[in-house]
Amino acid sequence: DSGVTQTPKHLITATGQRVTLRCSPRSGDLSVYWYQQSLDQGLQFLIQYYNGEERAKGNILERFSAQQFPDLHSELNLSSLELGDSALYFCASSVYSGANTEAFFGQGTRLTVV
Amino acid sequence: GQQVMQIPQYQHVQEGEDFTTYCNSSTTLSNIQWYKQRPGGHPVFLIQLVKSGEVKKQKRLTFQFGEAKKNSSLHITATQTTDVGTYFCAGRGGSTGFQKLVFGTGTRLLVSP
Repeated sequence: DSGVTQTPKHLITATGQRVTLRCSPRSGDLSVYWYQQSLDQGLQFLIQYYNGEERAKGNILERFSAQQFPDLHSELNLSSLELGDSALYFCASSVYSGANTEAFFGQGTRLTVV
Repeated sequence: GQQVMQIPQYQHVQEGEDFTTYCNSSTTLSNIQWYKQRPGGHPVFLIQLVKSGEVKKQKRLTFQFGEAKKNSSLHITATQTTDVGTYFCAGRGGSTGFQKLVFGTGTRLLVSP
């Protein structure tokens, strides 16, 4: 158990809908990362927060947004969902946001858009 | 933007054979990390290399960081069925920013008994 909690584990929704994925980082970790992993693909970096502030952005679609709350949990909002958004979404956390910090991954949320 | 490629994409070996995956970044990295993802699982941190030319060993696994800090390798000696999974390198640094942890494309390893 990495200590990073993601909910829900599975989500099935229809095209055009909006969903929210939730992540609770490990106790003491200030940085949260979101990654998208499509079937048999690599981990695509979406966005990173540190202590409530956005620190880095990857190729995140405009339909996607995220935030980190004062209690350090994070939410990833996906809207106007398309079939191609079906993927495994991982949240990871680390103590700091810079170099020399390993990331601890949650179990992921499997999103299926039908 | 920063790109991290890994080769091979996939390798199938017999138990006892050696395995190597190579990681190449388009930009200089501040450090390189390696993760393993078992089938159906999540990535798990293996190790971090920081210094140019650094070599670290973990039992049958040997990790190297290139002199130019743009490439790395993971070598597994005498593979076992428990080594099955996808191995990712991940790096920070480069022209696109210091904070991003960008993952490589991954190498999927299958080990037959």
